[in-house]
Amino acid sequence: DTEVTQTPKHLVMGMTNKKSLKCEQHMGHRAMYWYKQKAKKPPELMFVYSYEKLSINESVPSRFSPECPNSSLLNLHLHALQPEDSALYLCASSLWTGKGEKLFFGSGTQLSVL
Amino acid sequence: AQKVTQVQTEISVVEKEDVTLDCVYETRDTTYYLFWYKQPPSGELVFLIRRNSFDEQNEISGRYSWNFQKSTSSFNFTITASQVVDSAVYFCALGTDKLIFGTGTRLQVFP
Repeated sequence: DTEVTQTPKHLVMGMTNKKSLKCEQHMGHRAMYWYKQKAKKPPELMFVYSYEKLSINESVPSRFSPECPNSSLLNLHLHALQPEDSALYLCASSLWTGKGEKLFFGSGTQLSVL
Repeated sequence: AQKVTQVQTEISVVEKEDVTLDCVYETRDTTYYLFWYKQPPSGELVFLIRRNSFDEQNEISGRYSWNFQKSTSSFNFTITASQVVDSAVYFCALGTDKLIFGTGTRLQVFP
């Protein structure tokens, strides 16, 4: 199994809603990532978890709250988002967080904030 | 500064044409990695290749080939005899302490 599975594939939410994005991998990877990708732009790193601990937070606003309940699961909790947060949110995993690690990406959640 | 530049924003070719996607990088690290990822319309980034900074051997995988030249800080990607299924956005990326993506090249292959 070399897949990273993300749910939901599409999400529309209002600015007052609370929602969560989910990501799952069963490759035994110990590093998991959240990226944000705006249209026609490259992915931008948001968070990195290493061995279930948050190791990198790229100064992401607190309305995005990551969680890693176990080594296979990664969540991104969303609250009070802004329309400019509309984007494709990609989850990725790698064996560990070394600089040469190959990342495996999910298909993403296309988020629209109204 | 760590940076990846993909000067070609969009390329359009007709099937069976060869196409080269350019990538130039900047880093002061002596040990680093270079990657190419493909992002089809489905959204998932698909890993294509990884090279480390000490291995300048060019690589060929089927219709894909990569030319790594440290002297010019370039890591170019060539698709030979392009096919419609090659249509995607291609990202070059630099792996140092983080993975830094270039801005991507959108390749459209027309039948």
